[in-house]
Amino acid sequence: DIQMTQSPSSLSASVGDSVTITCRAGQSIGIYLNWYQQKPGKAPKLLISSASSLQRGVPSRFSGSASGTDFTLTITSLQPEDLATYYCQQSYSHPTFGQGTRLEIK
Amino acid sequence: EVILVESGGDLVQPGGSLRLSCVASGFTVSTNYMSWVRQAPGKGLEWVSIIYAGGTTYYADSVKDRFTISRDNSKNTLYLQMNSLRAEDTAVYYCARAPTVTTNFDCWGQGTLVTVSS
Repeated sequence: DIQMTQSPSSLSASVGDSVTITCRAGQSIGIYLNWYQQKPGKAPKLLISSASSLQRGVPSRFSGSASGTDFTLTITSLQPEDLATYYCQQSYSHPTFGQGTRLEIK
Repeated sequence: EVILVESGGDLVQPGGSLRLSCVASGFTVSTNYMSWVRQAPGKGLEWVSIIYAGGTTYYADSVKDRFTISRDNSKNTLYLQMNSLRAEDTAVYYCARAPTVTTNFDCWGQGTLVTVSS
């Protein structure tokens, strides 16, 4: 299985801030990396696929990038509704998820 | 509208069995890549199993030889048969759709809770 290491495990930021979440793959996965948002008590929601392709309806303040085996999710102009846990997931082989990043809004 | 609705979660004793169902609407299960993903209480997401459009199935090592994924095309429904259940199988089980083999799960059900306890 391909291990996905996500950091930080939690972070706190204020409305209007920008935050970055990082995910590192245990081996080369090309751009087969997806990002999900899971709000408390809800199912996950796909935000970004193929490292940087924003899903329809997802605000443009969300963006993704890749560099080798390192991937980042950036949220600019943080909003109160962005309170959630964010997961990366590789789709290069049988899916594996990062351990999640809990985002708290100050 | 694309919708997935799971059912079948329950309290079951260790060693017991359970079958989960996931009814799809707005798309055809048999032409998509359908998975089960679980989430233990307070924990992260863990992929469990997938059935390809062509019918090939795969399982996580943690459930191999105990769980079976299947589908009923006439009912547009996905199933997960779970046998020899263990306490560590306790989780919310989600069904999820990936439109291609590169498993971008673009649609998820609301989840169904399986509790394994005596």
